[in-house]
Amino acid sequence: AQKVTQAQTEISVVEKEDVTLDCVYETRDTTYYLFWYKQPPSGELVFLIRRNSFDEQNEISGRYSWNFQKSTSSFNFTITASQVVDSAVYFCALSEAQGGSEKLVFGKGTKLTVNP
Amino acid sequence: DTGVSQNPRHKITKRGQNVTFRCDPISEHNRLYWYRQTLGQGPEFLTYFQNEAQLEKSRLLSDRFSAERPKGSFSTLEIQRTEQGDSAMYLCASSPSFLTAPNGYTFGSGTRLTVV
Repeated sequence: AQKVTQAQTEISVVEKEDVTLDCVYETRDTTYYLFWYKQPPSGELVFLIRRNSFDEQNEISGRYSWNFQKSTSSFNFTITASQVVDSAVYFCALSEAQGGSEKLVFGKGTKLTVNP
Repeated sequence: DTGVSQNPRHKITKRGQNVTFRCDPISEHNRLYWYRQTLGQGPEFLTYFQNEAQLEKSRLLSDRFSAERPKGSFSTLEIQRTEQGDSAMYLCASSPSFLTAPNGYTFGSGTRLTVV
């Protein structure tokens, strides 16, 4: 069965600090996708990144970066120089490869609070 | 592209009443999903449609729940004889196949159900 674990329930930082959100996943599939979503207080899930299991390159997008390591089944997310607008709940998710429903299995989320 | 639209945004109902939610996906998306999110948890998969066919249902979808997607366009999720445990955010998402959707799903803003 697929499972996503986000061990950090809540994190609080001061603006401009760097923060890393951890994600560990379990799957028997050899081909799968990993995602990060942001959920601000408004409730809508905002897509941040998708990574397929064959692409272990780390990715950087502005202040955001992602570290994918298949050896440890981890897909961690780092925000550099955090800002108050980064305050939200962040979800890591896993999906089987195409061919099935491609439904997402989410972790429980990490609530990030960035204080001014 | 106006995104995924869900109505109503909020619904308060008395225990035992029936409720129906509507989701209008992005028009060219043939895949439609329903998820449920309870407080402090990540979204959990409920059901999946490809066009008008309901191809997968979670065991979370008890016999009080029914979903339809007539003509492969909008979808409705009905809950009969609501219980307090049904209180949650109900999220709809749509997607073309991942082969053409590097960003994966587009989520709606959700319908928040409160059963009193």
